[in-house]
Amino acid sequence: GQNIDQPTEMTATEGAIVQINCTYQTSGFNGLFWYQQHAGEAPTFLSYNVLDGLEEKGRFSSFLSRSKGYSYLLLKELQMKDSASYLCAVRGQSGATNKLIFGTGTLLAVQP
Amino acid sequence: ETGVTQTPRHLVMGMTNKKSLKCEQHLGHNAMYWYKQSAKKPLELMFVYSLEERVENNSVPSRFSPECPNSSHLFLHLHTLQPEDSALYLCASSQDAIGRRGTDTQYFGPGTRLTVL
Repeated sequence: GQNIDQPTEMTATEGAIVQINCTYQTSGFNGLFWYQQHAGEAPTFLSYNVLDGLEEKGRFSSFLSRSKGYSYLLLKELQMKDSASYLCAVRGQSGATNKLIFGTGTLLAVQP
Repeated sequence: ETGVTQTPRHLVMGMTNKKSLKCEQHLGHNAMYWYKQSAKKPLELMFVYSLEERVENNSVPSRFSPECPNSSHLFLHLHTLQPEDSALYLCASSQDAIGRRGTDTQYFGPGTRLTVL
């Protein structure tokens, strides 16, 4: 079967660093996406990894290890506005329908 | 503003009603998607359209009927729904429906919060 696992909830302090983990087991792999979703709003694209390693984009970084079926999203210098749900999603094999398989999301609460 | 709009934002309907959800994308994309998001569950893909042609139907009950009259508009027609169909329905679009180009990202609309009484 296909499975994406991530923690349900996390709490962190303003100004700190938090790492949100995601493990996956899917039939085929053509990239891993991270989305941010504020309550009542659309998921917005944060990052994309298809090769092993770290992708950095400002305060946000995303890491991928394909051999371990593992990714993490790293948020630095946390701000209150970073309180949101973070969705990990895997796209299936290349050439197949552009389907994304999502995890349940990690609800991050940033406290003062 | 992600370039994908959905109306209405909120909808309450009875089990015998017929209603439609509308999605419009202003990004020039060729592919559009319907997802269902229920509390504490992953986003579930419902339908995929490529250039107005349905290319994926993820075993969705027939009480949900999609329509894609052109590559910019997508509808979800609803009838005789059940209370368990209450959820956030999200529309998304991407350049293509076939994931060839790695960074072909899906862009989401804000969703329609549906409540079935």
